[in-house]
Amino acid sequence: QSALTQPPSASGSPGQSVTISCTGTSSDVGAYNFVSWYQQHPGEAPKLMIYEVSKRPSGVPDRFSGSKSGNTASLTVSGLQAEDEADYYCASYAPSTNLVFGGGTKLTAL
Amino acid sequence: QLHLQESGPGLVKPSETLSLTCTVSGGSISSSSYYWGWIRQPPGKGLEWIGTAYYGGNSFYNPSLKRRVTISVDTSNNHFSLKLRSVTAADTAVYFCARRVPGSGSPTSFDYWGQGTLVTVSS
Repeated sequence: QSALTQPPSASGSPGQSVTISCTGTSSDVGAYNFVSWYQQHPGEAPKLMIYEVSKRPSGVPDRFSGSKSGNTASLTVSGLQAEDEADYYCASYAPSTNLVFGGGTKLTAL
Repeated sequence: QLHLQESGPGLVKPSETLSLTCTVSGGSISSSSYYWGWIRQPPGKGLEWIGTAYYGGNSFYNPSLKRRVTISVDTSNNHFSLKLRSVTAADTAVYFCARRVPGSGSPTSFDYWGQGTLVTVSS
């Protein structure tokens, strides 16, 4: 069982906004602004989309945004595009384990 | 442009040691800002962090693997390595090497990744 909880699936129509949640505890997500989000297409390496809760690496479209409230972090994809269909993983720092991943969410563009 | 490439055996026997190397090109592995990590993904499953190392000697490991893992950085060859001892079928996975975002205090942010290499544990 993953330390961070993500919904197994999420979906939206092209052009819509979709939000994926990542729930941890007051010892990890809630305590540190060290949450990252990764996008992974089948057969490829993960790609960093968001780090430190809301920062976007160079080259990541601004349609992707991150936020955090309490023990839950969120990734929002605005203006969903077909190419956004992928698996998304959150990750958080946790003192006991250093780094924990969520179980992943499969995002489908309907 | 930084490039990372994993290499090593694709098949390891149970109880033996899994050894992988990540060769870094397009940049120096010994930059003071760089931490280097290994992450794995069992077939059809999610990501699992294995550990992260700094060329100066600091390393951090997943507690669930710590007894069996060593990550080392070889500055002379610009590569870093993973050794996982006493493997079982549960260690079968795609193994990725990655670089942590330089200058970020976050241990969770890896911006450059290798393509990954499948290692199967089987007799």
